[in-house]
Amino acid sequence: DAKTTQPNSMESNEEEPVHLPCNHSTISGTDYIHWYRQLPSQGPEYVIHGLTSNVNNRMASLAIAEDRKSSTLILHRATLRDAAVYYCILRDGNQAGTALIFGKGTTLSVSS
Amino acid sequence: DTGVSQDPRHKITKRGQNVTFRCDPISEHNRLYWYRQTLGQGPEFLTYFQNEAQLEKSRLLSDRFSAERPKGSFSTLEIQRTEQGDSAMYLCASSGGQGSNSPLHFGNGTRLTVT
Repeated sequence: DAKTTQPNSMESNEEEPVHLPCNHSTISGTDYIHWYRQLPSQGPEYVIHGLTSNVNNRMASLAIAEDRKSSTLILHRATLRDAAVYYCILRDGNQAGTALIFGKGTTLSVSS
Repeated sequence: DTGVSQDPRHKITKRGQNVTFRCDPISEHNRLYWYRQTLGQGPEFLTYFQNEAQLEKSRLLSDRFSAERPKGSFSTLEIQRTEQGDSAMYLCASSGGQGSNSPLHFGNGTRLTVT
């Protein structure tokens, strides 16, 4: 499986935007970039995914570099509830049902 | 959508005992996944079902582990002769739809402590 690299931890203040980076230099043409987050004492939850174009949903935005070797998850206004571990995962779009392979993710701390 | 349900939430057992966990996926989701997570690590994939067929098993799934999904609905994960190293959070997830990018919906896990 192609690997991703994320910083171990990041800090943010409430109400400020947060940019969570992810490097995936060995990404293949059929790999989608998925983001999940895991709040304390809960299972992971889906955040967003994309292939080439930037994507927006109610939770976040995903900015994908033109060469697709990196991406950034953007939380537009961090809240205390956004404190979680954020996982960037590559998933082959040609293989239906393939399992997600998690790394260690980035632990985001949000201060009031 | 009632979400993925896992039972029990916590299980404490003595080394050598057998334990069984249950997962109820979101109804009509045809895919079901089991993961294991230890403190400070991301979830590790164990096994995957499409309907009742077990299509993929990780090398982490030793002979002491067995998973079933008899009617393509709920699933069970059994660990025989538990060891202290089996202490972890066991997570279940389900997904539906035809696409390869259908999101996984996770339950809140069963925390196993082996004493």
